[in-house]
This record gives sequence, structure tokens and C-alpha cells, in this order.
Amino acid sequence: DAGVTQSPTHLIKTRGQHVTLRCSPISGHKSVSWYQQVLGQGPQFIFQYYEKEERGRGNFPDRFSARQFPNYSSELNVNALLLGDSALYLCASGIMGGEETQYFGPGTRLLVL
Amino acid sequence: GQSLEQPSEVTAVEGAIVQINCTYQTSGFYGLSWYQQHDGGAPTFLSYNALDGLEETGRFSSFLSRSDSYGYLLLQELQMKDSASYFCAAPSNTGKLIFGQGTTLQVKP
Repeated sequence: DAGVTQSPTHLIKTRGQHVTLRCSPISGHKSVSWYQQVLGQGPQFIFQYYEKEERGRGNFPDRFSARQFPNYSSELNVNALLLGDSALYLCASGIMGGEETQYFGPGTRLLVL
Repeated sequence: GQSLEQPSEVTAVEGAIVQINCTYQTSGFYGLSWYQQHDGGAPTFLSYNALDGLEETGRFSSFLSRSDSYGYLLLQELQMKDSASYFCAAPSNTGKLIFGQGTTLQVKP
């Protein structure tokens, strides 16, 4: 079975641009969570979606938005990019969400210049 | 606030035993998870403690004491491939995982 997949793997953008990151969860998993990981730190929670509804939101500005599609895949959108948005963006899937075991994808490494 | 504290670095030799500690301050505590992350890779789930005590999975064990707001990950018979970052994390009822800052384990020959 395929694990969590994310695209693209790497991305370079300039300040002010917007970006869309994509995630496909493990087959049968209905929840998708997004995390931002800055170098040398632990992942920081951005959003969780379960059954296409936003279930939780972390302390991130409104420039960050996400959605989940009927096939449970998800997109994370970031508008008006700042240099500080440079990070590894991780997607994690779970069967129901809220459980202790989440399965992470390889991440998208975003560099904002 | 909610926070998990763990040492930033630990060094050990191949074949040894190492313990990575995690203390936490969270509201609505449900349990403590541990994740491993190799450089450039995704975090992978290692273990979860919902109740006090020791959970063993092969060379890795994890311990939780709710009364002390403390847990640890124990790695035995260290191998070079165990060199990685290790994160403790606390799940919430909204699906949010709160991660510690991570402990970088360096295993030396």
C-alpha cells in the first residue's frame, strides 16, 4: 500500500507569491493534518481536516488556508509568502484524526526568496 | 500554554542504551507519542503511552508517568542507523499533535 504522498517535493518562490501544496492520504484514512517544520524545531500544527470539515486550526495567520476533497486528498494554500514561511511542510493522515498515530508524508520543502 | 521539553542533543556509542526524557505541560492530556525523524525524512511513529508504565516494542521502550508529567524513550542495543531526531508529542482531541523541540541522537562507533 502506498503511504502518504505529497507534491511537489521542493519549491522555490519569491516574497508575495502564493503556493499550493498537495497531499494524498493513505487509502482508507479520512483525516489529513498539515504541519510546518522549521529547521531544528519540532513540527507545528497548522490544520486538521476530517471528512472534508476543518476540525482544528493552529496559531497561523489567515494567509494559510486548506481544504479537503471528496477523495480525502488535501491542499494547503499560503498567500503573500514571507521569508519566514520557508520550511518543510508535512502532511499526516489518520483513520479518524485525534488518534495518537499519524502517518507523515515526506514533506514539501519550501524556500521563499 | 502547552509545551513539551526534551534535551536538544544526546550522544551514545553503538551497542549502548540511551534514554531521552520528555516533560510536558498540556491541558487535556491524552497520552504521549514518540516519533523518529532522519535528516530530510518524514517523522515516523515509534510508540504511544496512554497509561502510566512501560511499553516495549523491540529495541525501543517508552515510559509515562502522568503524576510526574514525564515520559521517556529508551533505546537499547544502539545501532548507527538510530542516529536521528526523536520527538515526543502529545495528541489532543482535535487531532492536533503538539511536538517537543526534538532530541538529536548521535550514535558513535
